[in-house]
Formats: sequence, C-alpha cells, structure tokens
Amino acid sequence: DTAVSQTPKYLVTQMGNDKSIKCEQNLGHDTMYWYKQDSKKFLKIMFSYNNKELIINETVPNRFSPKSPDKAHLNLHINSLELGDSAVYFCASSDYDQETQYFGPGTRLLVL
Amino acid sequence: SQQGEEDPQALSIQEGENATMNCSYKTSINNLQWYRQNSGRGLVHLILIRSNEREKHSGRLRVTLDTSKKSSSLLITASRAADTASYFCATGGTSGTYKYIFGTGTRLKVLA
Repeated sequence: DTAVSQTPKYLVTQMGNDKSIKCEQNLGHDTMYWYKQDSKKFLKIMFSYNNKELIINETVPNRFSPKSPDKAHLNLHINSLELGDSAVYFCASSDYDQETQYFGPGTRLLVL
Repeated sequence: SQQGEEDPQALSIQEGENATMNCSYKTSINNLQWYRQNSGRGLVHLILIRSNEREKHSGRLRVTLDTSKKSSSLLITASRAADTASYFCATGGTSGTYKYIFGTGTRLKVLA
C-alpha cells in the first residue's frame, strides 16, 4: 500500500548507458516531482508535472527526459549516463494545493 | 544560490534533551515546511507554517517563523533515539508556484 513507489531501488550501470526510473503514486495527487539528492544530501528539484503537463523544468541536462503517461505516473529517462549523474533520485507528489509533498523511497543510481 | 540553509549542519544530543535547528532563506515565501529524512529513506513531511503565522505546534515539535529575519526554527522536545535523522526546511514561493527549495539539512543524532 505504498503511497509513492519507485523502481528500481538500486541502479548500477556503466557510463554511456541509457536507463529509466519509474514512479507511481496512488494518492490521487495532481502534481508529481523529480528531485536529485547528491552525496552532500543537497536536494534539488529537477522537474514537476501537473495533470501530465510539465510545469517546472530546472536547469537539467537534456539527457534527462521526464514522461508522464498519466496523472499517477512520472518516469525519468536518462540518456548517455555520466559519472556525475550518480545520486539518489526521489519522486514526490502533492495534492491540488501543491503544499505537502509525499516522497518515494528513492532510487540510488551509481554510474561506473 | 539555494534558498534554505540549515544551521547547525550536525547536532548530537542525549536522549531527553531538546534539539533546535534553524533555517534561513533569502526571498519572500508563501509557506515553510520541515521534513525528516531517516538514513536511506525518502523525506517525510513534519509540519507546515504559513507566512502569516509565527508559531506552530505538532506533538513534540514546535516551529517558529520570523519573516522579518527570513528565518525559522524547529524545536524537538524530549528527544528520542528514533528522532535521529536529517531535518530539512523547504520554502515555497508565492501562490501558484509548484516549486519548493530545500535547504542543506541538519543531521541530528540522539544518543541513548
């Protein structure tokens, strides 16, 4: 009955590969987010979707492409992975008021 | 640069003591939230305080907000070992924005 789930939990891959991370929320929320947390625990927003529409697109390399097939899902595809992409990626969702955010457990990406 | 900065970066106390963490931010906000992150987990929402509020309580948590000083504090009373975690403040901009900026976090360790 996890509210916000992400798959996979761990992802170890080689430089240059393409990978995807999936996120699903069963809270009925309208807004979903992707955050990146670096090794110093700094959490930075990458993207936000509201009702499947992209509303926040921070300064993120265009190798990162989010896709929202429906309100309950927000996936993140990363092309040509680089060493610096190693981090923990969190998906989150919030209700119509875009206030309280509910986070997924995170996907730990390690690029070798 | 980032909006929220927590102080101290790390805090170690004995069980039963109170823990105080501070957050400073730079621009006008609509609200400020505090989140907790246990090691290896996602963030969990603790409390939200709006820009027109000065103090808010939730169980053992007390949050204050001083918009003139652009700062907030989180007080955890009678701390427990289970309170050991990182604590983040997140600031929300003016109404209509979906973007929250997270601070750098305070790592709290409560010793039994």
